[in-house]
Amino acid sequence: SQQGEEDPQALSIQEGENATMNCSYKTSINNLQWYRQNSGRGLVHLILIRSNEREKHSGRLRVTLDTSKKSSSLLITASRAADTASYFCATDGRGYSTLTFGKGTMLLVSP
Amino acid sequence: GAVVSQHPSRVICKSGTSVKIECRSLDFQATTMFWYRQFPKKSLMLMATSNEGSKATYEQGVEKDKFLINHASLTLSTLTVTSAHPEDSSFYICSARGGFDGGDTQYFGPGTRLTVL
Repeated sequence: SQQGEEDPQALSIQEGENATMNCSYKTSINNLQWYRQNSGRGLVHLILIRSNEREKHSGRLRVTLDTSKKSSSLLITASRAADTASYFCATDGRGYSTLTFGKGTMLLVSP
Repeated sequence: GAVVSQHPSRVICKSGTSVKIECRSLDFQATTMFWYRQFPKKSLMLMATSNEGSKATYEQGVEKDKFLINHASLTLSTLTVTSAHPEDSSFYICSARGGFDGGDTQYFGPGTRLTVL
């Protein structure tokens, strides 16, 4: 099964609202990364949080990591229609620098 | 910085032909490159990991003779789908590691859409 599991699978909100996506994983990790993918495109790296970090910010993005619960959350504040995309978490629990991706959350932000 | 390109972005070919996809790190040296496959509305599946100058490490279930990977330099890796069949139609994405952020971040190419008729 997937190492990372995002929830919800799909999220539909209005512009200006906040969007929260969660990710759970199974094995211990060195870091967890969040990526964004627009339909039919490659992945854009959003943020990396290391296992010894609890929270990280980047612009309108806020990522938390709880290693005791093996979970992470991605918060997008003041969402915009341009934030519409799929969001994936990825963990390096397998080692060898490989990433295991979750199934993703499809975010739809309506104007 | 940390830009990865892929070429071509889209390819349509006949069944039985071979297709080569290039992945380049444009502004950094990639010690490791990765090849993924993604089906519509699905997650990314790692196919193989390649280090410059050595043989690629394939994931379980991925045929190494069908998906040939060459990582000839620190900025270029190629994936060749040999004797392609319609079931090989997919979105192929490469990533490269070794840029910024301590080298832990993977930077992804824009993907290549392969359609085998």
